[in-house]
Amino acid sequence: NAGVTQTPKFQVLKTGQSMTLQCAQDMNHNSMYWYRQDPGMGLRLIYYSASEGTTDKGEVPNGYNVSRLNKREFSLRLESAAPSQTSVYFCASSPPAGGPGEQFFGPGTRLTVL
Amino acid sequence: AQSVTQPDIHITVSEGASLELRCNYSYGATPYLFWYVQSPGQGLQLLLKYFSGDTLVQGIKGFEAEFKRSQSSFNLRKPSVHWSDAAEYFCAVGDSGGGADGLTFGKGTHLIIQP
Repeated sequence: NAGVTQTPKFQVLKTGQSMTLQCAQDMNHNSMYWYRQDPGMGLRLIYYSASEGTTDKGEVPNGYNVSRLNKREFSLRLESAAPSQTSVYFCASSPPAGGPGEQFFGPGTRLTVL
Repeated sequence: AQSVTQPDIHITVSEGASLELRCNYSYGATPYLFWYVQSPGQGLQLLLKYFSGDTLVQGIKGFEAEFKRSQSSFNLRKPSVHWSDAAEYFCAVGDSGGGADGLTFGKGTHLIIQP
């Protein structure tokens, strides 16, 4: 099993450009998540998807959109990138359980917006 | 709303010495609690988790944590650290209400190991 994979690993954008971060998991998990990590801020939840076909906003959703393409894939889109979106982005998934369960993280995408 | 506080931004420990990383949480009910470790340039790896039952939980790499409801704490400990333990450590709390909401993370503690 590859676990949670993310592409690309690194990306540099100019202000106003758009891009999509891809995430896939092969663990048959229902729930998937997108976080951003900034120095001194820990991880903050952007969006999550409890199951295929559903998405919900997290703590910091502004400037982002998501798509739960199928059970395996959960993408994050920046329509018009801003320097404030320079960050490391992590995708995670968790198995079905009564609660959130542990989350399994991908290796991250390091995004720089100039 | 739930929250997590990790009071120490940086901690420096000598190799072979004991370690305790502090974590305090705010949550209305019994929370789900986690400790994750992040090595430089890597993703997050789960060290251990607490859902219910025994308040002392064992994790990977020789780590353990103790849930203290009266103190709203979930401190991480290791009796003897190794140079490879140098990393960023995150405490997180999850919703025990049965939903699939994401975790709330503390801001992290950066662990430095002195030779």
